[in-house]
Amino acid sequence: NAGVTQTPKFRILKIGQSMTLQCAQDMNHNYMYWYRQDPGMGLKLIYYSVGAGITDKGEVPNGYNVSRSTTEDFPLRLELAAPSQTSVYFCASTLPGPEAFFGQGTRLTVV
Amino acid sequence: GQQVMQIPQYQHVQEGEDFTTYCNSSTTLSNIQWYKQRPGGHPVFLIQLVKSGEVKKQKRLTFQFGEAKKNSSLHITATQTTDVGTYFCNGGSQGNLIFGKGTKLSVKP
Repeated sequence: NAGVTQTPKFRILKIGQSMTLQCAQDMNHNYMYWYRQDPGMGLKLIYYSVGAGITDKGEVPNGYNVSRSTTEDFPLRLELAAPSQTSVYFCASTLPGPEAFFGQGTRLTVV
Repeated sequence: GQQVMQIPQYQHVQEGEDFTTYCNSSTTLSNIQWYKQRPGGHPVFLIQLVKSGEVKKQKRLTFQFGEAKKNSSLHITATQTTDVGTYFCNGGSQGNLIFGKGTKLSVKP
């Protein structure tokens, strides 16, 4: 049971490039979330999904897009990367239930 | 949206000292969860509190939920270097998990 898997673990992007951060969970969880965590800071919710085909904005959605075509996958798309998007990105999932399971994170640097 | 404030933002303690972090909400919470994130790691679920006035213990960690369900605390007795990390509370609804900024704990051996 792998839990929540994020790829890649590290990535360096040039300003203006695009990329997709992958997130997959094998626990059949309905709810999935994307967070960003700037150095020394807390977690900011970017987007979340309550089930396949349903997504909604969180606290800081600008510059990002998501899709949820299956229960397992919740990719995060960055279009036109900017230095302000340098951060660690965490994907999480819950059943519903009290415990959110987090992936290992993707460390993204935009230069 | 729901606002959850955590204090203090940072806490430096000597090993063996106690530590407490507080989580305060402007609105009544249905429940609250606590997470720990080790340096360089990802958040890991510690516990959920649901009932007014609830107190739960995990070894040296004591979690409390206020009577009005608007605040919560995490108390660590006799801190150890393994307690280092950031402690987050989460009081959002299921589909919109909003975390506080966290309290970063450092422990001097």
